[in-house]
Amino acid sequence: DIQMTQSPSSVSASVGDRITITCRASQGINSWLTWYQQRPGKAPEVLIYAASDLQTGVPSRFSGSGSGTDFTLTISSLQPEDFATYFCQQSNSFPVTFGGGTKVE
Amino acid sequence: HVQLVESGGGLVKPGGSLRLSCAASGFTFSDYYMSWIRQTPGKGLASVAYISVSGTTIYYADSVQGRFTISRDNAENSLYLQMNSLRAEDTAVYYCARGGMIPVWGQGTLVTVSS
Repeated sequence: DIQMTQSPSSVSASVGDRITITCRASQGINSWLTWYQQRPGKAPEVLIYAASDLQTGVPSRFSGSGSGTDFTLTISSLQPEDFATYFCQQSNSFPVTFGGGTKVE
Repeated sequence: HVQLVESGGGLVKPGGSLRLSCAASGFTFSDYYMSWIRQTPGKGLASVAYISVSGTTIYYADSVQGRFTISRDNAENSLYLQMNSLRAEDTAVYYCARGGMIPVWGQGTLVTVSS
């Protein structure tokens, strides 16, 4: 299975901060990388797919980059509604696997 | 509107069975592979089972192999997960998920295995 190593596991931040979260795959996954946001008690929601494509309706302060093994999610200016947990997922090969999550608090 | 709606979760005793269902709408169900994914506070997110478009290719996580069965009915736009011989460690929120370039997830259904 492809291992996804996500860091940091948590970050303490303030409104207006720039946040960067990284995911590293144990082997190349091309651009089959999705970023999710999850709020407590809710299902994960897609923010970024194909490593860098913004899901419809997601604010432009979210961006994704990378290919191969190293990927980054950036929140350019943190808003109050962005305090949540973020996950990466690879779907290059089965089973799909997930990063451990980053809690933004 | 693309939507997945899970049902069938609940409280079950160890060794018991449950059948989860997922109703799909808003897209051509038969064009996509489908998965069940579960989430626990301790172990995060994990793939449970995957089924190809035609149902001929199926994957199971080692932890559920031989106990869980994934199936689909393309005519009914539905995905299923039959869970037998349930264990306490199967306690989780179970999500139905659509594959493809842009994943789609349901809202999840809670399965609790406890005596």
